[in-house]
Amino acid sequence: NAGVTQTPKFQVLKTGQSMTLQCAQDMNHNSMYWYRQDPGMGLRLIYYSASEGTTDKGEVPNGYNVSRLNKREFSLRLESAAPSQTSVYFCASIRGRTGELFFGEGSRLTVL
Amino acid sequence: KQEVTQIPAALSVPEGENLVLNCSFTDSAIYNLQWFRQDPGKGLTSLLLIQSSQREQTSGRLNASLDKSSGRSTLYIAASQPGDSATYLCAVNQGGTGGFKTIFGAGTRLFVKA
Repeated sequence: NAGVTQTPKFQVLKTGQSMTLQCAQDMNHNSMYWYRQDPGMGLRLIYYSASEGTTDKGEVPNGYNVSRLNKREFSLRLESAAPSQTSVYFCASIRGRTGELFFGEGSRLTVL
Repeated sequence: KQEVTQIPAALSVPEGENLVLNCSFTDSAIYNLQWFRQDPGKGLTSLLLIQSSQREQTSGRLNASLDKSSGRSTLYIAASQPGDSATYLCAVNQGGTGGFKTIFGAGTRLFVKA
């Protein structure tokens, strides 16, 4: 089972560049999430999508945009990357019946 | 506002020891609680999920308990091994309109010495 797949796994950007992190899940889950993880800050929610066609801001949405392309895919876009966005980004989906979270392997982003 | 605290922040034990990791939360109105393991540079792997109506869950050498009324959960690891070395995260799920809201603890970093 593939579960939650994120691409790319590693990326280095220069300040001001843009990029999109891709996430796909094959578990037919309705809800999907984007988190960032920073040392000493734990996991923080950036955006989430409770169902196809809906997206909502989380705790730290500034500087990001998201697209729920279909039920499987949820992408995160950095329009103009800043060094403060250097982080590890995790995509997750949740099994609606049990509320169990499943995570991707993470995308490590460095902004110079 | 729900807050999740994990104690201790770090723990070093000799191989073979039984150990307990603690997680506390401030709002008892939870849907479930999930324990994760995270190895350095890796994603989060789900270990155990306890629904709000359950008291405990077991998987192999792991046992997680939940006491909603006191806002506490423990993860018990029996006969620890060096391969158990990782960061363990507790996450509390609260349901509601617009989907689940998950709040994570900061984690306990465990080191098991051979």
